[in-house]
Amino acid sequence: KAGVTQTPRYLIKTRGQQVTLSCSPISGHRSVSWYQQTPGQGLQFLFEYFSETQRNKGNFPGRFSGRQFSNSRSEMNVSTLELGDSALYLCASSLAGGGLREKLFFGSGTQLSVL
Amino acid sequence: GENVEQHPSTLSVQEGDSAVIKCTYSDSASNYFPWYKQELGKRPQLIIDIRSNVGEKKDQRIAVTLNKTAKHFSLHITETQPEDSAVYFCAASKGNYQLIWGAGTKLIIKP
Repeated sequence: KAGVTQTPRYLIKTRGQQVTLSCSPISGHRSVSWYQQTPGQGLQFLFEYFSETQRNKGNFPGRFSGRQFSNSRSEMNVSTLELGDSALYLCASSLAGGGLREKLFFGSGTQLSVL
Repeated sequence: GENVEQHPSTLSVQEGDSAVIKCTYSDSASNYFPWYKQELGKRPQLIIDIRSNVGEKKDQRIAVTLNKTAKHFSLHITETQPEDSAVYFCAASKGNYQLIWGAGTKLIIKP
């Protein structure tokens, strides 16, 4: 089985722009969750989707949004980019039989740099 | 709000020695505690997890212990090897659909 695929791998944007990141889960996985990773801050939970529905959202401003399509692929959007949004954005998929209380399979991430 | 504190932030041990990383959680309803390993430039991978109905779990050189009363859990790695060098993250469940993550521990194995 192919692993979790995230595109693009790298992105450079300027302040004020918007960006869309994509995540394709492992075939058969219905849950996709998103995380922001910065040095020293660990993994910050953004949101989780299951069957096109957002089940939970972390403490991020409304500029961060996401969606999930019927084939379980997910996109994350950040509008009005700020310098502090520079980070590695990871997505993870799981079967979601037990919500997030089961093994997560992470993608390689999208490294976003905001200049 | 709920949080998970992880210590130490950096741990340096001699190859062959043991390493222990500790996490403390605040939500008494948390019942699932995974540990993920992230090697440099790679994606995090689950190495072991424990549920609240179990006090200890082992997998070869890796073990996790859970103390529900004190609300802390620990990762133990014995006979450390160079390939154990990585950043380790603990997490605790919050409800069904969220994990609260620790800030990570950078483990350095000295030859």
